[in-house]
Amino acid sequence: DTAVSQTPKYLVTQMGNDKSIKCEQNLGHDTMYWYKQDSKKFLKIMFSYNNKELIINETVPNRFSPKSPDKAHLNLHINSLELGDSAVYFCASSQALWQYKEETQYFGPGTRLLVL
Amino acid sequence: DAKTTQPNSMESNEEEPVHLPCNHSTISGTDYIHWYRQLPSQGPEYVIHGLTSNVNNRMASLAIAEDRKSSTLILHRATLRDAAVYYCILRDQRNYGGSQGNLIFGKGTKLSVKP
Repeated sequence: DTAVSQTPKYLVTQMGNDKSIKCEQNLGHDTMYWYKQDSKKFLKIMFSYNNKELIINETVPNRFSPKSPDKAHLNLHINSLELGDSAVYFCASSQALWQYKEETQYFGPGTRLLVL
Repeated sequence: DAKTTQPNSMESNEEEPVHLPCNHSTISGTDYIHWYRQLPSQGPEYVIHGLTSNVNNRMASLAIAEDRKSSTLILHRATLRDAAVYYCILRDQRNYGGSQGNLIFGKGTKLSVKP
């Protein structure tokens, strides 16, 4: 069983469209995250949710809106897609919100978004 | 911020040990040192972490300098599957405008393994 799964794996769309990426974890974790990895391969956190509550929003445009229907899911909705949104988006989860420095994160396989 | 410095790239031969260095001269007394790796076209995966003592697990070993200003990830026998970008990360627990405990990735070390 996949611990952290994302759909779709690839997403090609036109500028201006609205799209969603889904993430599910079956690890029973309390916290989920979204990361963006740009073309230069830098991996940067975007959001984190703890028990369905937004905890971290790292200077992400309002066009990005995470939604957590339950603890096991954290979806990412993107409005009015721009060329610069092209990247790989990774979902991750952890048992707690890094309250313990030993906590580890489990990452999904990534969603490769290409905006044309 | 406590930052890490890693070589951009390293090469290894298959079946040989690999020592991946990481400098973190501004590490605080309670920062844990975490290592993750990212295989091609995959998400990062946890490798190992430690505080002061050397650590071993099924994937690797972590050797931490006595002054904690540097550490080394050791792959005892590199395989082709170990070719990846390896990230050395310090757990940043300080609160920046609501951000707590972010996992901050640097550039990492790209490890190539030759058959």
